[in-house]
Amino acid sequence: GDSVTQTEGPVTVSESESLIINCTYSATSIAYPNLFWYVRYPGEGLQLLLKVITAGQKGSSRGFEATYNKETTSFHLQKASVQESDSAVYYCALGDQGADRLTFGKGTQLIIQP
Amino acid sequence: EAAVTQSPRNKVAVTGGKVTLSCNQTNNHNNMYWYRQDTGHGLRLIHYSYGAGSTEKGDIPDGYKASRPSQENFSLILELATPSQTSVYFCASGDRLGASQNTLYFGAGTRLSVL
Repeated sequence: GDSVTQTEGPVTVSESESLIINCTYSATSIAYPNLFWYVRYPGEGLQLLLKVITAGQKGSSRGFEATYNKETTSFHLQKASVQESDSAVYYCALGDQGADRLTFGKGTQLIIQP
Repeated sequence: EAAVTQSPRNKVAVTGGKVTLSCNQTNNHNNMYWYRQDTGHGLRLIHYSYGAGSTEKGDIPDGYKASRPSQENFSLILELATPSQTSVYFCASGDRLGASQNTLYFGAGTRLSVL
């Protein structure tokens, strides 16, 4: 079946340092996977951070970036300089074009130290 | 503003009791979903729906029923709750078409403890 593997947390980064959270996927039943990063802030539901539906393209939002690499089946999340407000749980997800169903990774808790 | 509202936010239930988790969306989305999140697991899909009157089994439907009486409302029902159903439950809405294509909108979650 389809699966998503991401960096196991918690990940602790100092404020203003760079960040990378790894995500790799296996899409056995989806011909053209769409890839997503969702974020869950404390006390809130998940919200879409960014999405990319075309291989080779990069998505970006709020200073975060991720590039859809079909060759390495990866969609790593990066940020050049993190802020304390970035503390949250980040989920990588995989879906088909219609995105009727998403397959989520386990989530990576990010802790930013001031 | 588009929103997905879950109730209750916290629930303590007894083993063997009936539990109903409710979800309401104002996004006018056709699709709605129930996921559960446990430590060491990603979000796992329990049931979903394509519209009023429709329910479909997700990846882990055993022990759960779902009901979609209207476009806005989608309930998850545990007829005989068990401690293994202790978890955080998330409801989401989404649509295939339009500006929200491929995006799910989530509620804040319901923390359920079954004792």
